[in-house]
Amino acid sequence: DGGITQSPKYLFRKEGQNVTLSCEQNLNHDAMYWYRQDPGQGLRLIYYSQIVNDFQKGDIAEGYSVSREKKESFPLTVTSAQKNPTAFYLCASSSRTDISYEQYFGPGTRLTVT
Amino acid sequence: KQEVTQIPAALSVPEGENLVLNCSFTDSAIYNLQWFRQDPGKGLTSLLLIQSSQREQTSGRLNASLDKSSGRSTLYIAASQPGDSATYLCAVRYPHRDSNYQLIWGAGTKLIIKP
Repeated sequence: DGGITQSPKYLFRKEGQNVTLSCEQNLNHDAMYWYRQDPGQGLRLIYYSQIVNDFQKGDIAEGYSVSREKKESFPLTVTSAQKNPTAFYLCASSSRTDISYEQYFGPGTRLTVT
Repeated sequence: KQEVTQIPAALSVPEGENLVLNCSFTDSAIYNLQWFRQDPGKGLTSLLLIQSSQREQTSGRLNASLDKSSGRSTLYIAASQPGDSATYLCAVRYPHRDSNYQLIWGAGTKLIIKP
């Protein structure tokens, strides 16, 4: 089955610790995205990558870092510099040959930092 | 500034009713618009995508319309069922830098269908 997997589903961390969220896709998509979702707000773009070894900051990149060493993988690190890291994190991917640029989403990771 | 608004934030209707969810956007120069469904604690499922040149798209009991001139889209759900209960998100895609296209998201409408 083709799709996007995110792990873990739930993640708990102490304040001051860095944490890495996993995102893997087997859709052969070039572009991948990380979003943050908070209650009562629309999704906000953290980082995106259109090709391996390249990525761009989104609207709320501060306190986050990413890497894109493989086409299939786009891990997100939430650093201790992120002021309010508790949120639901969604990963998505899209094909650059799809002129609609439709994005496909993973199941999400809920991060709780105390 | 490009903004997307969904009103109401929550809606509760009896099973069997037809209903309309609204999405408005401030910048009419859209590339396309997409409606998603999100179940509690889950990822997003794409329902319908409307290109800027289209007026509507249909899938089963769902019909999405687009009126760029008024900056509005509606999602019509016919003969609602309890299984339709979810949050419905509207996202508008605009041309962006680096030949990329950026999605601007509404906050969603939480729909509850009462048996």
